[in-house]
Amino acid sequence: QKEVEQNSGPLSVPEGAIASLNCTYSDRGSQSFFWYRQYSGKSPELIMFIYSNGDKEDGRFTAQLNKASQYVSLLIRDSQPSDSATYLCAVNRGYSTLTFGKGTMLLVSP
Amino acid sequence: GAVVSQHPSWVICKSGTSVKIECRSLDFQATTMFWYRQFPKQSLMLMATSNEGSKATYEQGVEKDKFLINHASLTLSTLTVTSAHPEDSSFYICSARGQGAASGELFFGEGSRLTVL
Repeated sequence: QKEVEQNSGPLSVPEGAIASLNCTYSDRGSQSFFWYRQYSGKSPELIMFIYSNGDKEDGRFTAQLNKASQYVSLLIRDSQPSDSATYLCAVNRGYSTLTFGKGTMLLVSP
Repeated sequence: GAVVSQHPSWVICKSGTSVKIECRSLDFQATTMFWYRQFPKQSLMLMATSNEGSKATYEQGVEKDKFLINHASLTLSTLTVTSAHPEDSSFYICSARGQGAASGELFFGEGSRLTVL
């Protein structure tokens, strides 16, 4: 069974710090990896995706992928209170449906 | 990114009634849409895959006769919760892949919060 694991948190960081969110997955054949942000009571919104080993940067966000370790992470630099949300990791194999983790709650304090 | 619109955002109904939720892709055609359910503090759980012009594919444990899915056009899929009961109260979210999205990312509708009294 495909599984995506995330620490539920909450992860608390002060404003301006780097928030590091981690995710592991069980399906070694997974090919695409996604990070979604979900505010309370709202639907998820895509932050970024990655499918090659290494780092991918987009503004304050950096996704890191290590397929050998089956590990993907999201770094948020200069964290802002508006970044406080639940971050969902999702993976898929090819064009299959996404498998989501339970999400990590991030709290950024002013 | 692609825009997916969902309606209604909120619905409150009495136990035993049926509720229909609509999901539309506004700026692209979606041959496949996905319906998720999310209980408080839980992850998104895929309920079914909606295929235009054919029957939906339901995940294990999801009653197809209770959650009726219709995907009659390339831009509209509907989910009808029949004979709703309080345990069906949840956040229902539809999604679709953007056209040309080789990476497979999903774009989500705004979600519909169902409360069954």
